Amino acid sequence: EAGVTQFPSHSVIEKGQTVTLRCDPISGHDNLYWYRRVMGKEIKFLLHFVKESKQDESGMPNNRFLAERTGGTYSTLKVQPAELEDSGVYFCASSQDLYQPQHFGDGTRLSIL
Amino acid sequence: TQLLEQSPQFLSIQEGENLTVYCNSSSVFSSLQWYRQEPGEGPVLLVTVVTGGEVKKLKRLTFQFGDARKDSSLHITAAQPGDTGLYLCAGGGSEKLVFGKGTKLTVNP
Repeated sequence: EAGVTQFPSHSVIEKGQTVTLRCDPISGHDNLYWYRRVMGKEIKFLLHFVKESKQDESGMPNNRFLAERTGGTYSTLKVQPAELEDSGVYFCASSQDLYQPQHFGDGTRLSIL
Repeated sequence: TQLLEQSPQFLSIQEGENLTVYCNSSSVFSSLQWYRQEPGEGPVLLVTVVTGGEVKKLKRLTFQFGDARKDSSLHITAAQPGDTGLYLCAGGGSEKLVFGKGTKLTVNP
């Protein structure tokens, strides 16, 4: 089966621009998670979808970040406007249910100049 | 706030040596996962431990969950160059994971 797919793999934008990251979970996985790793820090949770509903968005840094999962399939994470501190690697993960392990994508490396 | 401290942060050893990586917290976790991450890729799950005192073996890798479910260790026997990578522990399982910073292991031939 196909794994978690993230697009793009890399993105370089200027401060103030908008960027949208996409995640396609494993087919049939209702749970979708976004995480972020900034340089020198640990991977940190951003938010969790169950199907199309936001279950927990306690890790979202601020209102410049908007996550959606229309139809309960793929998800997008939009950063608008991007700031320098938003640079890092954004990971998406999915799981079949809350008792199954989370499978991670390869991440999107985001650089804000 | 739950935190996981991993040690050591970096480890460089020769092929054939044994090593142990530690993951400690002041918080109790319902479960703990160990992941391995290669450059440019996402974390790949190695094992999940759930019960306090649980020991799981995966070939030359031995994982242990502390009795109080606050700490865990990963022991590698006779390390090989193919074991090189970033090892991450992560606590919690049902919803959001809390990650340690990782241990970057280099096994030299």
